[in-house]
Amino acid sequence: GENVEQHPSTLSVQEGDSAVIKCTYSDSASNYFPWYKQELGKGPQLIIDIRSNVGEKKDQRIAVTLNKTAKHFSLHITETQPEDSAVYFCAASIWDMRFGAGTRLTVKP
Amino acid sequence: EAGVTQFPSHSVIEKGQTVTLRCDPISGHDNLYWYRRVMGKEIKFLLHFVKESKQDESGMPNNRFLAERTGGTYSTLKVQPAELEDSGVYFCASSPTEGGNEQFFGPGTRLTVL
Repeated sequence: GENVEQHPSTLSVQEGDSAVIKCTYSDSASNYFPWYKQELGKGPQLIIDIRSNVGEKKDQRIAVTLNKTAKHFSLHITETQPEDSAVYFCAASIWDMRFGAGTRLTVKP
Repeated sequence: EAGVTQFPSHSVIEKGQTVTLRCDPISGHDNLYWYRRVMGKEIKFLLHFVKESKQDESGMPNNRFLAERTGGTYSTLKVQPAELEDSGVYFCASSPTEGGNEQFFGPGTRLTVL
C-alpha cells in the first residue's frame, strides 16, 4: 500500500521567512496530493492540492510542487505570519488518502 | 452549509468499557471516511463508506472496532472493549460522489482510554 513520509516533524521560522515541508510517497499510481492545515481543536482543513498531471500550483503565499519521477512533493509558504502556526499534513491518494505524520510549524513574531 | 460534525468532542473511558463515536457528514455527501491519529503519528485511514456500504475497511485495526452507517447518513464507530492503545483523535471526513477528491474533515473526537 501507499506509504507517505513527511519532513521535518517540527519547523520554527521567523515571521516573514519562508517555510518548506517535504513529503515522499511510495505508490507511483497516486494521483492526488492535498495539503491540510490543522489548528488547535479543529479538524484538518484543505489549504492546497495538486494532481499528478501538474508540476506546480500556487495560491497567494502558498505553493506546492510535485516531482512524479522522484515521487516527492513539497509545500512552500512564503512571508510567513504567526497565524500560519499549525500542524500541516501532506497526503497521497489513489482512491483513499494516506497521510504523512505531520509537521508542527511555529512562526515566531 | 454545515460542515462535518462529530460527537462527542472528548471522551475519557476506562479500559474494557465501550465507546461510540458519531459522525454527521455534510448533507448529500455519499462518501464517509473514518481516520485515527495516535499522538505524534500520521493520520491513519480506518474505513470508507459509500452511502451505507463499506467500500474499504482495510484500516480497521481489529474486531473490537465496528463502524455502521445505517441509512447512508450519519455514521457511528464503536470500540468494544476499549484498550489503552485505542487512545487518539478520531476524525471523520466526507466527500461528494462528484467533484473530485477533496475530503472535508470534522473537528475530531479525542478518545482517552485509562
